[in-house]
Amino acid sequence: KAGVTQTPRYLIKTRGQQVTLSCSPISGHRSVSWYQQTPGQGLQFLFEYFSETQRNKGNFPGRFSGRQFSNSRSEMNVSTLELGDSALYLCASSRNSGGFEEAFFGQGTRLTVV
Amino acid sequence: GENVEQHPSTLSVQEGDSAVIKCTYSDSASNYFPWYKQELGKRPQLIIDIRSNVGEKKDQRIAVTLNKTAKHFSLHITETQPEDSAVYFCAARGDRLAFGKGNQVVVIP
Repeated sequence: KAGVTQTPRYLIKTRGQQVTLSCSPISGHRSVSWYQQTPGQGLQFLFEYFSETQRNKGNFPGRFSGRQFSNSRSEMNVSTLELGDSALYLCASSRNSGGFEEAFFGQGTRLTVV
Repeated sequence: GENVEQHPSTLSVQEGDSAVIKCTYSDSASNYFPWYKQELGKRPQLIIDIRSNVGEKKDQRIAVTLNKTAKHFSLHITETQPEDSAVYFCAARGDRLAFGKGNQVVVIP
């Protein structure tokens, strides 16, 4: 079956702009989590959505937001982009939220803010 | 929320030797501890995981141990090979799946 798909793969934006990233989970998976990956900081948790509801949110400013649709696809939005937002944004899907579910990652969206 | 610490940040080993990566976590309610391997330019992929009711788990050359009392868990790779070179992330699931900062493992042929 198809894996987790993230679009676009690469994105270049200017400071102050906003951006929307998309994540299509594996079919049947209802949980989608988003992570920011930067060198030296590992995978920092942004938020998790399950059945269209945000279950948890990490320590990121309100400029970072997300949503999940009824088909489990998820989007994250970053407004008023800053240079420090340049990173690889990864989403991960699992069948359910919590428990012992394996999280499957997408290939990520590489965002560069100039 | 859960906080995961991972040490050392970089580990170089001779091919055939063992590599050990150690992690600590903060949330005593965490019950699931996966390890992910990320090769350069690729997505993180699960290599092994352990549940809180198990102390040790092995899968060929890879093993993971968990000490719930001390909130420590470790990844052991034996007989390392060049293809083991990658970044390894430990994670703990409490209210969220939280990751450590990663270890760069370099296997020297």
